[in-house]
Amino acid sequence: QVHLQESGPGLVKPSQTLSLTCTVSGASISSGAYYWSWIRQPAGKGLEWIASVYSAGSSGSAKYSPSLESRVSMSLDTSTNQFSLKLNSVTAADTAVFYCARGIPAGGYWFFDLWGRGTLVTVSS
Amino acid sequence: EVVMTQSPATLSVSPGERVTLSCRASQSLGGSFAWYQQKPGQAPRLLIYGASTRATGIPDRFSGSGSGTEFTLTISSLQSEDFAVYYCQQYNNRPLTFGGGTKVEIK
Repeated sequence: QVHLQESGPGLVKPSQTLSLTCTVSGASISSGAYYWSWIRQPAGKGLEWIASVYSAGSSGSAKYSPSLESRVSMSLDTSTNQFSLKLNSVTAADTAVFYCARGIPAGGYWFFDLWGRGTLVTVSS
Repeated sequence: EVVMTQSPATLSVSPGERVTLSCRASQSLGGSFAWYQQKPGQAPRLLIYGASTRATGIPDRFSGSGSGTEFTLTISSLQSEDFAVYYCQQYNNRPLTFGGGTKVEIK
């Protein structure tokens, strides 16, 4: 059974960089064709897609939400079976629960069939 | 960006009732559409993809329909474990976007 688990600091200061890691167990992130992804949810609000990286093929290029593209980067580390997210120049508006998820390709884009439990990141001095 | 609008925002329902949730997209999606259920303190769970295909392990009281810009999630007989927030998602265009959610609460 495949499990995803987020980890990283729960508190980040304004203007600094938020760094999170998702550890995948039960399967190799380099096998199959999936979009390993990050999604966030501010308290009491809806879901916002942040970024995804495709596991198959040679490029592994990340796809980013245009609203965050200037501040975000994402990568896969097949040696540790993890993928990571970096969001720089954070503000209080970035405070949210961050989820890692597995995306299933369908018609050019993807939906999410597996999710981690989420990790709360608070941006505050 | 495709805007997803869910209605109603909140639905008060008694157990055993039939429930219909709606999601409207600002542009046509074909069938590139999914529904998720989220309970307090938990991650979302995939219910429906391709507008009408139930995900693995999802009870058949959940059904999805629609295409283009109008989509519906129906719960044929609401169980106690179904009280939750339901989100729709489009995957026809980037950025992937979600609706604002419909909370199904106990009447």
